[in-house]
Amino acid sequence: ETGVTQTPRHLVMGMTNKKSLKCEQHLGHNAMYWYKQSAKKPLELMFVYSLEERVENNSVPSRFSPECPNSSHLFLHLHTLQPEDSALYLCASSQDQARRQLYGYTFGSGTRLTVV
Amino acid sequence: SQELEQSPQSLIVQEGKNLTINCTSSKTLYGLYWYKQKYGEGLIFLMMLQKGGEEKSHEKITAKLDEKKQQSSLHITASQPSHAGIYLCGAGPSGSARQLTFGSGTQLTVLP
Repeated sequence: ETGVTQTPRHLVMGMTNKKSLKCEQHLGHNAMYWYKQSAKKPLELMFVYSLEERVENNSVPSRFSPECPNSSHLFLHLHTLQPEDSALYLCASSQDQARRQLYGYTFGSGTRLTVV
Repeated sequence: SQELEQSPQSLIVQEGKNLTINCTSSKTLYGLYWYKQKYGEGLIFLMMLQKGGEEKSHEKITAKLDEKKQQSSLHITASQPSHAGIYLCGAGPSGSARQLTFGSGTQLTVLP
């Protein structure tokens, strides 16, 4: 158990479906992140939330929509995805800056998404 | 933007052998994180290096930071099957870990 829980672990969806990925942390962290991991590619930072406010959006297509209702929960809403969006989606959290620099992020186990 | 290049991309070693993985940055390194990932799983934090010349060890894994070369190395002594996985290095701009950029990873296989 890493302290960051992601659900579901696996998701298969059609291109016209709407689904949501959920991330939950009870570590007392105040920043949360979404990363995309595709085969043979570096992890891609998608969104950063700090104190529930989005502070980073790395040119992610609008078919991905994040939501951070509170410091413990982060969602990624998906709609009209493309097959190339199939990947492992990782959520991470971190503490205030001083501790973040020492300990980096705590990652969840990821959601394996397949778009058919 | 900062880019991290890892080498080798994959490595197969016999149990008991030593090995080294390198991570080279395109920009000045203010801090370097090493993570390990089992296939299809999340990343597990190994260690973080902050200062040039710094060296840290965790069990049989040692990491060093060479700021001048903008490079870090991860060395595993007497490898075991439990060391198998993907090793990733990550770095952030100006000492901030808010926007960690990661390398593509090194896939390590340890043959029993």
